[in-house]
Amino acid sequence: ELKVEQNPLFLSMQEGKNYTIYCNYSTTSDRLYWYRQDPGKSLESLFVLLSNGAVKQEGRLMASLDTKARLSTLHITAAVHDLSATYFCAVHPDYGGSQGNLIFGKGTKLSVKP
Amino acid sequence: SQTIHQWPATLVQPVGSPLSLECTVEGTSNPNLYWYRQAAGRGLQLLFYSVGIGQISSEVPQNLSASRPQDRQFILSSKKLLLSDSGFYLCAWNSRVEKLFFGSGTQLSVL
Repeated sequence: ELKVEQNPLFLSMQEGKNYTIYCNYSTTSDRLYWYRQDPGKSLESLFVLLSNGAVKQEGRLMASLDTKARLSTLHITAAVHDLSATYFCAVHPDYGGSQGNLIFGKGTKLSVKP
Repeated sequence: SQTIHQWPATLVQPVGSPLSLECTVEGTSNPNLYWYRQAAGRGLQLLFYSVGIGQISSEVPQNLSASRPQDRQFILSSKKLLLSDSGFYLCAWNSRVEKLFFGSGTQLSVL
């Protein structure tokens, strides 16, 4: 059974600082997603990572994937208040199932304070 | 462009009452459709998915059922709600291996 673990689960940052959220998964996967969720809102897709060594960046967020270590990171550079949200990683297992059968981590609740 | 509509946004229902949540997708044909549930403070759990009209697969045994009466319509139902059915329900769609696009969600409170 595929397990996805994120850490930390809660993160309080000061504006302007850098930090990294980690996502470990327990079995092989053919793709990994990062999503953002604002309180009471739906999920917004941030990144899709499809291969070992993949790196994607948008604004102050950069995601990377190491399939050998079964690890993805979401790096936050010079955090701003607008980045406050809960961030989920989700993994699609290699053993198949529906294309939408993503296994989600529990999420990292990020709070950026001035 | 494709859009996904989900309603209602919030729902408060007594235990034992029925449930019907609806989701429709516009701007695409034959999408894969999904129902996810998010319990308070937790990640998402896939409940049902559908690859075509009348084709429903259940990922977890539960008090809920799903139906797909039309190509771009997905309905989540229950005959009798339980307290444990409370949560944030999200409909989603994709095509083949693309990323999932989520609806705006329904916050269900069973009292």
